[in-house]
Amino acid sequence: DIQMTQSPSTLSASVGDRVTITCRASQSISSWLAWYQQKPGKAPKLLIYKASSLESGVPSRFSGSGSGTEFTLTISSLQPDDFATYYCQQYNSYSLTFGGGTKVEIK
Amino acid sequence: EVQLLESGGGLVQPGGSLRLSCAASGFTFSSYAMSWVRQAPGKGLEWVSAISGSGGSTYYADSVKGRFTISRDNSKNTLYLQMNSLRAEDTAVYYCAKAGQLASTRAPRFDYWGQGTLVTVSS
Repeated sequence: DIQMTQSPSTLSASVGDRVTITCRASQSISSWLAWYQQKPGKAPKLLIYKASSLESGVPSRFSGSGSGTEFTLTISSLQPDDFATYYCQQYNSYSLTFGGGTKVEIK
Repeated sequence: EVQLLESGGGLVQPGGSLRLSCAASGFTFSSYAMSWVRQAPGKGLEWVSAISGSGGSTYYADSVKGRFTISRDNSKNTLYLQMNSLRAEDTAVYYCAKAGQLASTRAPRFDYWGQGTLVTVSS
């Protein structure tokens, strides 16, 4: 199985900060990577697919980049609604795998 | 509007069985692969199983292979997960999730998720 490693596991930031989360794959997954946001007690929400494509309705402050084994999710200016946990997911092949998550906390 | 509504969760003893259902609406159900994804309390997301739009292809995580069976009834727009030989480590919220790609053979990303149903395996 392809292992997905996210860093950091926790991130403390302030409103207006630029935030970057990294996801590394144990082998190349081309651009078959998605990013999700999850708030406590809620289902995950798709933000980015195919590494850099913004899902419809997602604010443009979210962006994704990378290919192969290294990927990043960037929030250009953190908003109060963005404090949540973020997960990456590879869909290059079954078995599908998620990263361990990055919790973005208020500093 | 796409809606996914899971049901069937509850408390079950180790070794027991449970069947989860996910009623879908708002899209052409048979055109999309569907998956089950679970989340143990306080933990991250774990993909469990997937099924193609026709139901002809199924996929499982190693952790549930041989114990869980995914199926779908396209006439009822409903996805199922039959869970047998349940273990304490199967305790989690189980989400059904819709593939983001139409009629694709590629492994999916997920553009819509249900609200989840809690399965607790305990004596």
